[in-house]
Amino acid sequence: DTGVSQNPRHKITKRGQNVTFRCDPISEHNRLYWYRQTLGQGPEFLTYFQNEAQLEKSRLLSDRFSAERPKGSFSTLEIQRTEQGDSAMYLCASSPGPNEKLFFGSGTQLSVL
Amino acid sequence: QKEVEQNSGPLSVPEGAIASLNCTYSDRGSQSFFWYRQYSGKSPELIMFIYSNGDKEDGRFTAQLNKASQYVSLLIRDSQPSDSATYLCASPGGYQKVTFGTGTKLQVIP
Repeated sequence: DTGVSQNPRHKITKRGQNVTFRCDPISEHNRLYWYRQTLGQGPEFLTYFQNEAQLEKSRLLSDRFSAERPKGSFSTLEIQRTEQGDSAMYLCASSPGPNEKLFFGSGTQLSVL
Repeated sequence: QKEVEQNSGPLSVPEGAIASLNCTYSDRGSQSFFWYRQYSGKSPELIMFIYSNGDKEDGRFTAQLNKASQYVSLLIRDSQPSDSATYLCASPGGYQKVTFGTGTKLQVIP
């Protein structure tokens, strides 16, 4: 068990470009969460999956953000037409099920220039 | 109203003292509560979880839950400089998505 893995660790992009992040959860975990965190703030909920089903997406999330979890294994988070306000740490976490603790990956730090 | 609320601090305590961190929540359907510690530049790591009213102790850490008053607290006894970090309160809430508070920054002064 290698824990939750996120790639890349860092991403620098120009405004208007598309970016995609990948998360590989702990293998037996069926819940997967995406969060965004900026300096001095707690993790902000983006979306979560139960196996391959996306159960909820934050109302604060624009249509430029999309996430998938094909086959209920790894997940990808795509941001289209990036804006400077998208600069943040994007965290992925997995858990065995509801009401269970979350295990976090190391995160992807996005910088939009 | 945010689902989970915390005082952002910073909370400063001298080494060896008890640090008390508090969290309130709005969803009465919340069944479980988690305390995460986050060092600067690192991901959150779980330090305590609590499901039932009352106290739960683990080493120097005690989590307290009062469902009637909708608050959760974390006590850190014999605080050490290595405890200096941001402490995040989190709960799945009634809809099972896990939401976090803004975190309380703790500084333990040697």
